[in-house]
Amino acid sequence: GAVVSQHPSWVICKSGTSVKIECRSLDFQATTMFWYRQFPKQSLMLMATSNEGSKATYEQGVEKDKFLINHASLTLSTLTVTSAHPEDSSFYICSASPAGNTEAFFGQGTRLTVV
Amino acid sequence: QKEVEQDPGPLSVPEGAIVSLNCTYSNSAFQYFMWYRQYSRKGPELLMYTYSSGNKEDGRFTAQVDKSSKYISLFIRDSQPSDSATYLCAMSAGGGFKTIFGAGTRLFVKA
Repeated sequence: GAVVSQHPSWVICKSGTSVKIECRSLDFQATTMFWYRQFPKQSLMLMATSNEGSKATYEQGVEKDKFLINHASLTLSTLTVTSAHPEDSSFYICSASPAGNTEAFFGQGTRLTVV
Repeated sequence: QKEVEQDPGPLSVPEGAIVSLNCTYSNSAFQYFMWYRQYSRKGPELLMYTYSSGNKEDGRFTAQVDKSSKYISLFIRDSQPSDSATYLCAMSAGGGFKTIFGAGTRLFVKA
């Protein structure tokens, strides 16, 4: 299957700082990537849809100024958690689909801990 | 009512058992059905992908889709302790529509 790489796999940051998470499709181009948040023992919660060359589409209740998404190329999307607070601590996962495909391939996830 | 319903479990079975995991859904527009396996602290891994109704087999895994009943299943034969994980069903109408995930079922296979 297609490979999606996410970096870093874990990060600890101080409250008030910003953290950037990268999502790369390694062997295919993805015009659309998705960012999810997952709390312990819960399912994936879609945060936003990242579109190459245009603004991301955020789900209801997700602060676009806090979770900045940039999709600058067909293989890279970034999620920046700005002014992070302890309640932002979570598991963040990206996914991407090859053009014309419906099945999504996921990155390995990033565990963010804000202290 | 959620678009996709999945029993979160946990489901505990002995090694070698046949495992049946299920999801129901309400949106008749769903055409694409997927099963993902997620180990603790890892991203989900695509296991099975099916389009419309029918069965699909891959090794010890069989996916079934019954669109008339809005019901999908994943069967795991000869279950192994390494199968212990959370299994998420997912479905989409395609054409740029969002993929909707079930809550995930936690499976424990005991040696």
